[in-house]
Amino acid sequence: GENVEQHPSTLSVQEGDSAVIKCTYSDSASNYFPWYKQELGKRPQLIIDIRSNVGEKKDQRIAVTLNKTAKHFSLHITETQPEDSAVYFCAASQEAGGTSYGKLTFGQGTILTVHP
Amino acid sequence: IAGITQAPTSQILAAGRRMTLRCTQDMRHNAMYWYRQDLGLGLRLIHYSNTAGTTGKGEVPDGYSVSRANTDDFPLTLASAVPSQTSVYFCASSRDGNYGYTFGSGTRLTVV
Repeated sequence: GENVEQHPSTLSVQEGDSAVIKCTYSDSASNYFPWYKQELGKRPQLIIDIRSNVGEKKDQRIAVTLNKTAKHFSLHITETQPEDSAVYFCAASQEAGGTSYGKLTFGQGTILTVHP
Repeated sequence: IAGITQAPTSQILAAGRRMTLRCTQDMRHNAMYWYRQDLGLGLRLIHYSNTAGTTGKGEVPDGYSVSRANTDDFPLTLASAVPSQTSVYFCASSRDGNYGYTFGSGTRLTVV
């Protein structure tokens, strides 16, 4: 099955700096890669996703890049703010067909702390 | 109901007891999932259902069972709880396998 590794496990930055979280995956058939943000005591919420037919996607201060050859993808947050502090999870799945259809495999999570 | 609802919010359960965690969604999503969240291990899939009437095993299914009698409900049952099942349980749904999940608010379960 799919295996997703996420690094770093913790990340501390100053407000206004950029933050980068990286994930690698093992199953070359995976083609859907979402990112979730989970605030303390809350549910995970989808913040951005990318599909294998694109290499990069941006949404305001958040961007995700994908390198299918190397089987890794990254989350980039620019101009970080204290409210960006949370746990971030990457995930991977197959969109259709195959045994992993629709089932997300998550990374272990990154605790991001943005200091004012 | 708006979105996906889980109950109870939290529960302390004696080892050996049976427990059903409830999950209901009103978005007419076909796919539903149960994950457990443990510190340092992220979210691990317990069971899933791609459509009403079908279920499948995830990464950590032992000790758990599910049913999907209709589109809206996807209960998770612990037949005989053990302390290692202490965790936060999240139910999630997706329109189908091509879209990201919507998560419920979670159930914090402590087995003593």
